[in-house]
Amino acid sequence: ETGVTQSPTHLIKTRGQQVTLRCSSQSGHNTVSWYQQALGQGPQFIFQYYREEENGRGNFPPRFSGLQFPNYSSELNVNALELDDSALYLCASSEEQGARGYTFGSGTRLTVV
Amino acid sequence: GEDVEQSLFLSVREGDSSVINCTYTDSSSTYLYWYKQEPGAGLQLLTYIFSNMDMKQDQRLTVLLNKKDKHLSLRIADTQTGDSAIYFCAEDTGGFKTIFGAGTRLFVKA
Repeated sequence: ETGVTQSPTHLIKTRGQQVTLRCSSQSGHNTVSWYQQALGQGPQFIFQYYREEENGRGNFPPRFSGLQFPNYSSELNVNALELDDSALYLCASSEEQGARGYTFGSGTRLTVV
Repeated sequence: GEDVEQSLFLSVREGDSSVINCTYTDSSSTYLYWYKQEPGAGLQLLTYIFSNMDMKQDQRLTVLLNKKDKHLSLRIADTQTGDSAIYFCAEDTGGFKTIFGAGTRLFVKA
């Protein structure tokens, strides 16, 4: 059984650019959630995808968007990058919208300069 | 509003018990969780408790839930240096959203 894999592991972008982060969910999981973790903070919920539909969203602007594919893998897209977007982006998958907890990937460290 | 609060640091000696505390605000939470994060890694689910339970034990881990006070604790028995990490308390606010605390950094002294 493979866990959650994220790519890339590290990324440096310039302010104003766009970025796409990728996530492969754990086998058998149909739900993917994305979290932003700033240094020294807990993860902040961005949004969740369940069976290819956005299932809920946190307090993030529309320039944060996502997709879920038929194989339940997912992408997080961020447009018009700002310096404050620098963080660890975590993908987490689960069965049925997160009941009984998530399996997290190791994250993508995004630095915006 | 939704909020989960934890103390930031805890230091214990190897072999002692560690108790990490958490308070939450959403009384409708169905599940409450404890996650562990080691440096450079994602979060690892340690255990969870259903909201109609008072206690759950899993090997060295004991979770206590006081719903009246909205207080959750994690006790780690016989704490080892490998337990040094950041521990996050989280609540399921229903449906899609899990809210995390800021994390408690556990230092284990040999």
